[in-house]
Amino acid sequence: AQTVTQSQPEMSVQEAETVTLSCTYDTSENNYYLFWYKQPPSRQMILVIRQEAYKQQNATENRFSVNFQKAAKSFSLKISDSQLGDTAMYFCAFMKLVTGANNLFFGTGTRLTVIP
Amino acid sequence: ETGVTQSPTHLIKTRGQQVTLRCSSQSGHNTVSWYQQALGQGPQFIFQYYREEENGRGNFPPRFSGLQFPNYSSELNVNALELDDSALYLCASSSGQGISGYTFGSGTRLTVV
Repeated sequence: AQTVTQSQPEMSVQEAETVTLSCTYDTSENNYYLFWYKQPPSRQMILVIRQEAYKQQNATENRFSVNFQKAAKSFSLKISDSQLGDTAMYFCAFMKLVTGANNLFFGTGTRLTVIP
Repeated sequence: ETGVTQSPTHLIKTRGQQVTLRCSSQSGHNTVSWYQQALGQGPQFIFQYYREEENGRGNFPPRFSGLQFPNYSSELNVNALELDDSALYLCASSSGQGISGYTFGSGTRLTVV
């Protein structure tokens, strides 16, 4: 079974500073994808960034980047130049590739507050 | 392009009743998944439909059932509601296997009293 662990229930960061959210996962699969989703008070899950496990290069999307350590099964999210709009719940998610449903396994989330 | 829309946004039901939640997938998406998100938790996978057939199911009892229609919209039905069914129900759609990520709706908040 796949498990995703987010060990930081809450974090805060000053506006314009950098923050890193942690995520570890457990799997015996070799071919999978990892995602970070953001859930603001509007409740909609918004895809922040994705990483293919077969790629060694860390994914980057503007101010968001990941540190993917496959051997350690670690997938942290770094947010640079934090903005007030980054305040939200952040969920790490794992997806293995199978025949049939490729569903997401989510962690319990980290609540990030950006302080003005 | 339109995103994923869900209706209703909020719903209150009595224990033992039945409920139907609706989802309209993003244009061009043929796969739809449903997730249950209890308060303070991450979403949990209920089931997925691909081209009108259920092709995967999480650890949920048979009283959770669904449909996908030819236009790829979807319904989630829950029979014999229990208090623990109170949660945010999220619909997500994708094209194919979802490796580019799923597009989520804003969910339906179901309260069972």
